[in-house]
Amino acid sequence: EPEVTQTPSHQVTQMGQEVILRCVPISNHLYFYWYRQILGQKVEFLVSFYNNEISEKSEIFDDQFSVERPDGSNFTLKIRSTKLEDSAMYFCASSRWANTEAFFGQGTRLTVV
Amino acid sequence: DAKTTQPNSMESNEEEPVHLPCNHSTISGTDYIHWYRQLPSQGPEYVIHGLTSNVNNRMASLAIAEDRKSSTLILHRATLRDAAVYYCILRGAGNNRKLIWGLGTSLAVNP
Repeated sequence: EPEVTQTPSHQVTQMGQEVILRCVPISNHLYFYWYRQILGQKVEFLVSFYNNEISEKSEIFDDQFSVERPDGSNFTLKIRSTKLEDSAMYFCASSRWANTEAFFGQGTRLTVV
Repeated sequence: DAKTTQPNSMESNEEEPVHLPCNHSTISGTDYIHWYRQLPSQGPEYVIHGLTSNVNNRMASLAIAEDRKSSTLILHRATLRDAAVYYCILRGAGNNRKLIWGLGTSLAVNP
């Protein structure tokens, strides 16, 4: 069964460093998303991406965040200068169409120290 | 964004049916009702979704009230693997593609 894969599974970084979280969405999907979940809290929407551009973003997704689809398979989330409060699980998701089900990866646990 | 209300937690016994309720009194005519679940230490997993009619798939059934202000996710025979947090989410049509998550219902399944 096709799945969304995320790498790495765990990333530890120092405050102020840049990190890139990588995702390979399901191959025939057109819509891509990043969500995050701080430990013990709700899953929060960060950004959606369609047709090579951001279609929607939340207040969390400020200038420190960016997304890119550098080739036909990868979808990346970059945090330019990490803060302690960026520590969370980051989930990538994809869906075939706008209103069909989203498939999630297993997440990357980002720890900022 | 339309909101949903779910009980914080529920408990079931293995091999018994489970009915997980969700209230969404402010649902709009174009909102789809989606259910996802999150097993411990895993990413969210799609369960089922519907608009007006009841829906069945291999994982569960979704019963939608006639006025669409509430719905119920039905797990026909709970297994230990069904212990998870279950989220009821309204997802709009058109450009509103994001999923807005609440705290969900934490389901415990007793052996």
